[in-house]
Amino acid sequence: ILNVEQSPQSLHVQEGDSTNFTCSFPSSNFYALHWYRWETAKSPEALFVMTLNGDEKKKGRISATLNTKEGYSYLYIKGSQPEDSATYLCASVGGTGNQFYFGTGTSLTVIP
Amino acid sequence: KAGVTQTPRYLIKTRGQQVTLSCSPISGHRSVSWYQQTPGQGLQFLFEYFSETQRNKGNFPGRFSGRQFSNSRSEMNVSTLELGDSALYLCASSLAGGVGPDTQYFGPGTRLTVL
Repeated sequence: ILNVEQSPQSLHVQEGDSTNFTCSFPSSNFYALHWYRWETAKSPEALFVMTLNGDEKKKGRISATLNTKEGYSYLYIKGSQPEDSATYLCASVGGTGNQFYFGTGTSLTVIP
Repeated sequence: KAGVTQTPRYLIKTRGQQVTLSCSPISGHRSVSWYQQTPGQGLQFLFEYFSETQRNKGNFPGRFSGRQFSNSRSEMNVSTLELGDSALYLCASSLAGGVGPDTQYFGPGTRLTVL
């Protein structure tokens, strides 16, 4: 079992602020790191998958980085908008690549 | 392409009963994973099925079981329900092609309430 931790647990920001969250995972036996966005009453939506140390991915105003040597990933949101309000989950995948270990998520609320 | 579907969406049962949840993966996806989410907990992995075989199993009691059919549809069964089984149950499907990292695509979940 992989212990994946996310911080902070929740975050309230003003519209237009930039913000970032952290996902920590065991660096040994690493295979991939996934980020998901989960809006209330919807299904979790895949944002990024990263595998290589130093990977950076970007989708609009959201970007993510990966450090496999020290076991962490950052998710950044530039110029937060109310529609960014959601829970952001990360999942570390180890071993043979088909078992996901999720963190408890960061709940983001963007205040208009 | 249709997404992952789960039925039913909501379910109310009483302690001691059993329940079966269903998951239809995205067409062409061969792997189905099941997760339980309770308040304050992350998604807890239950099990994963691939080509009708359970490939991975989480740390849940034997009351939780599942199966996968030849068309990749999967069912999850919980017997002798307990109050603590009240949760959102999510299934996720992936290609599981074995080359590169697989993204899991989630269904909307089944909200189970045990009274």
